Amino acid sequence: GAVVSQHPSRVICKSGTSVKIECRSLDFQATTMFWYRQFPKQSLMLMATSNEGSKATYEQGVEKDKFLINHASLTLSTLTVTSAHPEDSSFYICSARDRTGGAEAFFGQGTRLTVV
Amino acid sequence: AQSVTQPDIHITVSEGASLELRCNYSYGATPYLFWYVQSPGQGLQLLLKYFSGDTLVQGIKGFEAEFKRSQSSFNLRKPSVHWSDAAEYFCAVGPMAGNKLTFGGGTRVLVKP
Repeated sequence: GAVVSQHPSRVICKSGTSVKIECRSLDFQATTMFWYRQFPKQSLMLMATSNEGSKATYEQGVEKDKFLINHASLTLSTLTVTSAHPEDSSFYICSARDRTGGAEAFFGQGTRLTVV
Repeated sequence: AQSVTQPDIHITVSEGASLELRCNYSYGATPYLFWYVQSPGQGLQLLLKYFSGDTLVQGIKGFEAEFKRSQSSFNLRKPSVHWSDAAEYFCAVGPMAGNKLTFGGGTRVLVKP
C-alpha cells in the first residue's frame, strides 16, 4: 500500500521556539494532504487541508498564523508550529490522498510534540 | 453537520472471544465510512472501508463491518480476538473518499489472556 512518512516522530522544544513537521508521500503524488491533531486519549481533529501550490484551508478555531502549512510539492507538506507553548503539546498526524484518485487517504505515523 | 459516535470508550475482551465495536454516524448524504486502528504512539492503519455495494465489508486482520443505513450504524466485528488486537479503534465518516474525515471518539480495546 501507499506510504506516508512523517518526520520527526518525536520532538521536544522550548516554549517560544518554532517546530517544523514534515509529511511525505513516498510512493505516490498527493495534491491534497490533511493535518490532524490528537490530544491524549482523545480523537483526531482536523486542523487544515493542505493543497499543493495554494493556500491551506483551516478549520474553524485553528490559528493559521500559529500553524503554518506549506505544500510546496506533490510529495511534501510541512506544518510549522510557531512560537510554541506547552498547550501546543500534542500528537500531530498527517494524511495524504493519491492524486490519481485513489479512494482513501493514507496516514503518517504521527509526530509527538512536547513543548517545555 | 456530520458526526460520529462511538458509545463505548473502553471494551475488555478475553483472548479468543468475539468483539463488536459500535459506531453511529450522522451525515446528510451518502457517507463514506472507515474503521482505523491505532497502536500507542503510532499513526492510523485502515482496517476497512465502505463506499457502496455489499453492506458487509471484509477488512484486514480478520475484521468485518456491516453498514446499516436504517440504523445509521457501521459496527466493527471480529469473531476471535488476539492479544495483538489490543489498540484504539476509530470510526470515521467523510463526504467522499479520504477527504476531511470526521472521527469518532475512539474505543480502546483491552485483551485479557
